[in-house]
Amino acid sequence: DVKVTQSSRYLVKRTGEKVFLECVQDMDHENMFWYRQDPGLGLRLIYFSYDVKMKEKGDIPEGYSVSREKKERFSLILESASTNQTSMYLCASSFFEGSYEQYFGPGTRLTVT
Amino acid sequence: AQSVTQPDIHITVSEGASLELRCNYSYGATPYLFWYVQSPGQGLQLLLKYFSGDTLVQGIKGFEAEFKRSQSSFNLRKPSVHWSDAAEYFCAVGVGDMRFGAGTRLTVKP
Repeated sequence: DVKVTQSSRYLVKRTGEKVFLECVQDMDHENMFWYRQDPGLGLRLIYFSYDVKMKEKGDIPEGYSVSREKKERFSLILESASTNQTSMYLCASSFFEGSYEQYFGPGTRLTVT
Repeated sequence: AQSVTQPDIHITVSEGASLELRCNYSYGATPYLFWYVQSPGQGLQLLLKYFSGDTLVQGIKGFEAEFKRSQSSFNLRKPSVHWSDAAEYFCAVGVGDMRFGAGTRLTVKP
């Protein structure tokens, strides 16, 4: 089974803190994605990566950055957390070609106070 | 630009009744279409997908979906709903980077 793991299920941070969310996949997938999920808005794509050290902006990249130093790991960084970044964050991975089916991690519920 | 609309935010059905969840998409080429389900506190699980060929696709848990190009739709159906189907359902479109709808929350009445 494909496994996508996220470093924390729940996280509470203060405004202005730097926050790291980690995602690891074990299926040798080329593509990795970060989404945020908010009620009534569904999943919105923040950033994605097709390869190590490559990154592409999604629909809502403002206030976020990413890092992909190894194929299996994709990190989402909130440089200075704000209360409007309180959300559920979901990581996903997929092969570069083929079915494009994405496999999701369990999510990290981030609260910024 | 690719996008997905799920017109129904919340649907309630009785256990044993049939279900149809609507999905309309916008995509410039032949779409890759997906339905995912998210149970409370869980990540997303793929129910089914469509790339080409037969426009009626079968998925897991007894779900099926029909692709209708003329209507830009990919509606999800189940003939008889079980209480365990209560969850949030997301339609998605894309190749590589995907776009998701806002989701439809399904409540099942006993």
